[in-house]
Amino acid sequence: SAVISQKPSRDICQRGTSLTIQCQVDSQVTMMFWYRQQPGQSLTLIATANQGSEATYESGFVIDKFPISRPNLTFSTLTVSNMSPEDSSIYLCSGGGGDTDTQYFGPGTRLTVL
Amino acid sequence: AQSVTQLDSQVPVFEEAPVELRCNYSSSVSVYLFWYVQYPNQGLQLLLKYLSGSTLVKGINGFEAEFNKSQTSFHLRKPSVHISDTAEYFCAVSPAYSGAGSYQLTFGKGTKLSVIP
Repeated sequence: SAVISQKPSRDICQRGTSLTIQCQVDSQVTMMFWYRQQPGQSLTLIATANQGSEATYESGFVIDKFPISRPNLTFSTLTVSNMSPEDSSIYLCSGGGGDTDTQYFGPGTRLTVL
Repeated sequence: AQSVTQLDSQVPVFEEAPVELRCNYSSSVSVYLFWYVQYPNQGLQLLLKYLSGSTLVKGINGFEAEFNKSQTSFHLRKPSVHISDTAEYFCAVSPAYSGAGSYQLTFGKGTKLSVIP
């Protein structure tokens, strides 16, 4: 299995600011993903974080709003840019493949935008 | 593309009673199937998974699920629930290409299980 940590665990931010969320995996995984869970909803994939190259975004998500980095196999960041109250959600990263045959999730970052 | 339908958004059940949470999926390719649990204010924890082999899969905390290819279902069951099982349960699928865990998951909307003392 893989253990995934995220920082921060929660934050309250002002409209128009940006927040960067960090995700660390304790073992080498081939794939890392970022999901959003809006209040009372299921998880929606934002993007696949690719090592050393641009992330692959799902329909409805763009790089200018959610820039993602993945400098190595075990670390990724997601930035939520120019935030609005509609960005208030839980953001989760996951890792899988490589040494593990499933996806494991971090504890999530609970973001509130005022 | 894949889709997942969890037929019940909320399931109340008395403590020590059995429970079944239903999950149906649609896919044009073979799939891997997963159940995750989310306790209040926590992330997702893997309960069990079906990758191949026996269609009856046993997971943590006494849960099990059965893959039924003809009915495209992967229902989750537990013979006797505890108060601590109160949580939200998500069914998820990914395409069954090589390298399980390497592809994004498509989630159902979730089922909130409430165990009543």
